[in-house]
Amino acid sequence: GAVVSQHPSRVICKSGTSVKIECRSLDFQATTMFWYRQFPKQSLMLMATSNEGSKATYEQGVEKDKFLINHASLTLSTLTVTSAHPEDSSFYICSASPLEGPATDTQYFGPGTRLTVL
Amino acid sequence: AQTVTQSQPEMSVQEAETVTLSCTYDTSESDYYLFWYKQPPSRQMILVIRQEAYKQQNATENRFSVNFQKAAKSFSLKISDSQLGDAAMYFCAAWWGGSSNYKLTFGKGTLLTVNP
Repeated sequence: GAVVSQHPSRVICKSGTSVKIECRSLDFQATTMFWYRQFPKQSLMLMATSNEGSKATYEQGVEKDKFLINHASLTLSTLTVTSAHPEDSSFYICSASPLEGPATDTQYFGPGTRLTVL
Repeated sequence: AQTVTQSQPEMSVQEAETVTLSCTYDTSESDYYLFWYKQPPSRQMILVIRQEAYKQQNATENRFSVNFQKAAKSFSLKISDSQLGDAAMYFCAAWWGGSSNYKLTFGKGTLLTVNP
């Protein structure tokens, strides 16, 4: 149980275009999902907290107009990188914890999305 | 500031032997949870073990166990009978926050190499 999927796993886009990444909790519901960014050989950096039915909360230094987050249902959150530039190239990971049950404090992670902006 | 510190950037162990990865943290919160996650080359984050801060008993999951010292704010991971598949980046993390604003804070990670 507690499986999180992400789509796509890899995406290459041209500079100036927008890219949407989906995060789904497959066997549980989640009111809150989290989006992270990870550079090679570094730790995960929290970008934003995605809240179902309300606005996302962004960490300091993260541009909310550039990284649009939509948490449309209890099983789906999307991250859209708008007007992508080469410096946005990175590995993006989402996580979610079950709304109910014994592991509501435990984050389960998606497999990540590698974004390359040319 | 609430922090998680892993002081060992890299560790190595011989197959079948035991290795301990260190982690310390700093928080003023009384309610929190501690985790070790494993990230193999596939980059999928995998939960290794979980510890509730209010529990004194150390968590154990098969070959993985923790030494949780709450007063010292220490949370080390012991891997027994190391296997080649244990080779990965290991992240210590803490789930804490006030007013329901919980977040997961990660350490910088320890890269574990398992030698055959």
